[in-house]
Amino acid sequence: ETGVTQTPRHLVMGMTNKKSLKCEQHLGHNAMYWYKQSAKKPLELMFVYSLEERVENNSVPSRFSPECPNSSHLFLHLHTLQPEDSALYLCASSQVADRGTQYFGPGTRLLVL
Amino acid sequence: DAKTTQPPSMDCAEGRAANLPCNHSTISGNEYVYWYRQIHSQGPQYIIHGLKNNETNEMASLIITEDRKSSTLILPHATLRDTAVYYCIVRVPLKTSYDKVIFGPGTSLSVIP
Repeated sequence: ETGVTQTPRHLVMGMTNKKSLKCEQHLGHNAMYWYKQSAKKPLELMFVYSLEERVENNSVPSRFSPECPNSSHLFLHLHTLQPEDSALYLCASSQVADRGTQYFGPGTRLLVL
Repeated sequence: DAKTTQPPSMDCAEGRAANLPCNHSTISGNEYVYWYRQIHSQGPQYIIHGLKNNETNEMASLIITEDRKSSTLILPHATLRDTAVYYCIVRVPLKTSYDKVIFGPGTSLSVIP
């Protein structure tokens, strides 16, 4: 238990569906991150929220839309995804003063049909 | 952020020390060395980090060479639960990295009974 929870843990969706991934951290951190991990590929940074403001989006397609309503919660809204978006989506949090020490959630395993 | 080089895989006998090397010859003076691990299908787990002094915590020890061009993560008494991919990362704690890939391929450690 890292203090970072993610729901759902598994998700199957069609290409026309809209779904949202949720992340919550109980560590008092003020920065949160979304990562994507595809099979046999390195972890890729998608979005960073620092002090609730998005600081980069790393050229992620617009079918992924993040939302950070407060420092404890982070969402990733998904719509019209493609099969190649199937992956493990990981949320992490850290203190802004130490972005190198990140605590990860267990991830959401997403399958797009 | 400086790049790192790690062996793709290593084996270690259960109960013995596991020594995982990392080369970071282009590390700059303000970059720290961080280690994470990822057990299959779980989120990465922070292990330890350091700047230039050796560090130890309840999970592992980190030995950084005097010139800081390489480091070694030591798991003193490896158990089967330590089987995972281990990532070595160098970065500045206060900086939001704009690198898409922060976690490289890492070292796959297999602890053998």
